[in-house]
Amino acid sequence: NAGVTQTPKFQVLKTGQSMTLQCAQDMNHNSMYWYRQDPGMGLRLIYYSASEGTTDKGEVPNGYNVSRLNKREFSLRLESAAPSQTSVYFCASKPGQGAGGYTFGSGTRLTVV
Amino acid sequence: KNQVEQSPQSLIILEGKNCTLQCNYTVSPFSNLRWYKQDTGRGPVSLTIMTFSENTKSNGRYTATLDADTKQSSLHITASQLSDSASYICVVTFTSGTYKYIFGTGTRLKVLA
Repeated sequence: NAGVTQTPKFQVLKTGQSMTLQCAQDMNHNSMYWYRQDPGMGLRLIYYSASEGTTDKGEVPNGYNVSRLNKREFSLRLESAAPSQTSVYFCASKPGQGAGGYTFGSGTRLTVV
Repeated sequence: KNQVEQSPQSLIILEGKNCTLQCNYTVSPFSNLRWYKQDTGRGPVSLTIMTFSENTKSNGRYTATLDADTKQSSLHITASQLSDSASYICVVTFTSGTYKYIFGTGTRLKVLA
């Protein structure tokens, strides 16, 4: 089982460019999440999808959009990248919105210059 | 304010030695506490989970303790190995309508041969 797969693993963007980070899970989980991880800070929630067809803002949603394409896939889009969005992005999934633990992908390291 | 603080920020030990990592939280109402291990360039992986009524939980050479009265948790690593070199993240779950997660900033452990 692959678990949670993220693509790409690395990306360099110029300020103002757009891109979409892809995430897919094969565990039949209902809930999917996007986090960013910055040095000296805990993971921060950007957006989440409690179930297929729903999306909600997390702690730091500005500058991002998401799409829950189907039960397996949850993408994160940066419409106009800014240097402040330089970070490592993690996709995660859980069976549901209960208190269970996450399964994380291996991350996307994004640099905006 | 809901917060999770971890100490130390970083730690270097020799292979075979024991170590203890600390996590203090001011999260309410508490649901559970998890420790995650994050290898360099990878996503976090769950090590242990403890609820309010659990004082200790082991996973191989990893033993987590929880004191819900003082709101402190520790992760003890016995007979460290080179593969234990990683960041260890404490995550506290609380309920606020839905389940919410507060991530600590992690302790970066380096085990030297």
